[in-house]
Amino acid sequence: AQSVTQLDSHVSVSEGTPVLLRCNYSSSYSPSLFWYVQHPNKGLQLLLKYTSAATLVKGINGFEAEFKKSETSFHLTKPSAHMSDAAEYFCVVGRLTGGGNKLTFGTGTQLKVEL
Amino acid sequence: DVKVTQSSRYLVKRTGEKVFLECVQDMDHENMFWYRQDPGLGLRLIYFSYDVKMKEKGDIPEGYSVSREKKERFSLILESASTNQTSMYLCASSLGATDTQYFGPGTRLTVL
Repeated sequence: AQSVTQLDSHVSVSEGTPVLLRCNYSSSYSPSLFWYVQHPNKGLQLLLKYTSAATLVKGINGFEAEFKKSETSFHLTKPSAHMSDAAEYFCVVGRLTGGGNKLTFGTGTQLKVEL
Repeated sequence: DVKVTQSSRYLVKRTGEKVFLECVQDMDHENMFWYRQDPGLGLRLIYFSYDVKMKEKGDIPEGYSVSREKKERFSLILESASTNQTSMYLCASSLGATDTQYFGPGTRLTVL
């Protein structure tokens, strides 16, 4: 079984300050891990993914995440928030099954960026 | 760019109606997926398909069925819609089993 827990349902930061969105996962297998972003009235977009290569994963728009096996965490960070980062972020764990990669989504973290 | 399209952005149906949600991808992807998204619950996998005419149940298949007669098209069917199926439905596709999933814009279904 696999699961993912996003520790904060809402995060609010000021523009220009760092962003930290926390995620813990549970998986019986070597997991693949993802962060997706969903802007209002838009589809989900992949930010970054971890697939057992480098533990520090760089994504689009300046985001990065670090895979820490000992802590079963995959937190998303960005050094300096921008207004356009305001969106909902989903941490996702994947497991191969049958012919597909079965994704389990977290419940989401709403990021608010204030001036 | 990968494009995943869904037949409707908004849909309103009545309890007991049969509902079809259509998804088409234009990148010859092997795998296609249907999710529903509800506030506070994230996305939950309903069904997925890894080849034409092949399907596998996801985490919440009850009340739903799927059809994949052609590689580019994956349909989600609600045989008899109920109010608890009011939700946002998202379709996704991926080239291979471990490849990135690309999502469509979603269909917001309301069942009255």
